Amino acid sequence: DQQVKQNSPSLSVQEGRISILNCDYTNSMFDYFLWYKKYPAEGPTFLISISSIKDKNEDGRFTVFLNKSAKHLSLHIVPSQPGDSAVYFCAASLNYGGATNKLIFGTGTLLAVQP
Amino acid sequence: AAGVIQSPRHLIKEKRETATLKCYPIPRHDTVYWYQQGPGQDPQFLISFYEKMQSDKGSIPDRFSAQQFSDYHSELNMSSLELGDSALYFCASSFYSSGLSNEQFFGPGTRLTVL
Repeated sequence: DQQVKQNSPSLSVQEGRISILNCDYTNSMFDYFLWYKKYPAEGPTFLISISSIKDKNEDGRFTVFLNKSAKHLSLHIVPSQPGDSAVYFCAASLNYGGATNKLIFGTGTLLAVQP
Repeated sequence: AAGVIQSPRHLIKEKRETATLKCYPIPRHDTVYWYQQGPGQDPQFLISFYEKMQSDKGSIPDRFSAQQFSDYHSELNMSSLELGDSALYFCASSFYSSGLSNEQFFGPGTRLTVL
């Protein structure tokens, strides 16, 4: 049962335009969401995160929006650059009260930014 | 800045052999996570440690064991290897005491191939 879903396996945008990557989740108890970028043969690189008590977080060209009622979050990249081409994973965590919070990943979206 | 170090980066083993993967977290990080990513799949949580104690356990086979040592590095021991164990194994670390323990930083991964 995939609790975190990225329904678009791939996305292609032009350089300079906005990239919008989407993510849906099923567990309303998730309390933290993260986006990771991954190049082939490398580990995921943390990009940006958002707590479930917020609806927006911005860091430079990256903005994450959270719609709790729809159980949906999105990552906006503006402006998109060719170096942004990678696989983007959405991840969610659930705080059980312990020190560690395992991440549950979506299936990833391959973003291709065309020059 | 120092990142998570994993060794070896590549490992080839025969069926029924054993393997040991090592992870050195970012300095001052006190938590370590292990994830397994099969071909074309999203990373799946295996196990986590905080202050040298196991904190959470995911879909880790009984043939696998792990521990975190006094210097906070961690080792994932895998015995009776099966073909299906071939995957990328990622280690991630975070700093619980920072209040940002959800933000996990990943190493480059160890690619295990079982022949």
